[in-house]
Amino acid sequence: QSVLTQPPSVSAAPGQKVTISCSGSSSNIGNNYVSWYQHLPGTAPKLLIYENNKRPSGLPDRFSGSKSGTSATLGITGLQTGDEADYYCGAWDSSLSAYVFGTGTQVTVL
Amino acid sequence: EVQLVESGGGLVQPGGSLRLSCAASGFTFSGHYMNWVRQAPGKGLEWVANLRPDGSETYYVDSLKGRFTISRDNAKKSLYLQMNDLRAEDTAVYYCARGHQDAADIWGQGTMVTIS
Repeated sequence: QSVLTQPPSVSAAPGQKVTISCSGSSSNIGNNYVSWYQHLPGTAPKLLIYENNKRPSGLPDRFSGSKSGTSATLGITGLQTGDEADYYCGAWDSSLSAYVFGTGTQVTVL
Repeated sequence: EVQLVESGGGLVQPGGSLRLSCAASGFTFSGHYMNWVRQAPGKGLEWVANLRPDGSETYYVDSLKGRFTISRDNAKKSLYLQMNDLRAEDTAVYYCARGHQDAADIWGQGTMVTIS
């Protein structure tokens, strides 16, 4: 049972924007960095955002991250069919001394 | 090329043991935290364990403490996961992932472990 809560699914038309929320607590998101991952089943997960809002080199700026208090948000603009995947937030939990992933959100491009 | 390649997965009977390996290349292995993450069929990602660059400290998800052991050999640029007393619920794809700034930035393709 994950300590980070995400909506099960979000969807939008091509070219539109989606946002994915990630809700946690003071022991994880509230006091530690948040990262975001894209995962297509059967492939290696891909890091999209680290340290709340930083993008790895080469990642398009269509992907953005933000954090406020004990919640974080991933935004994807200019939605493309290739963005259809599962997305997970993650953060270190200081109380558990463990890394925790969110429940995951499936993005569908209509 | 920066790369992680897992091996050692397979079919094991309940109660059995398995040792996964992850071979790293293309980066300074000894300078990074390393992680194991798994995904059970139809489930989300679950972080399993990680350890410091020098292997001096290890961290585990509570539910696996005592059964799984993470270790590394920096000279061989390899990460390991020793899994004992395996159960059906341990069936999953196991990924190794490089630690970077409180995140995991490089992932292997995964190795399938089936307990049946």
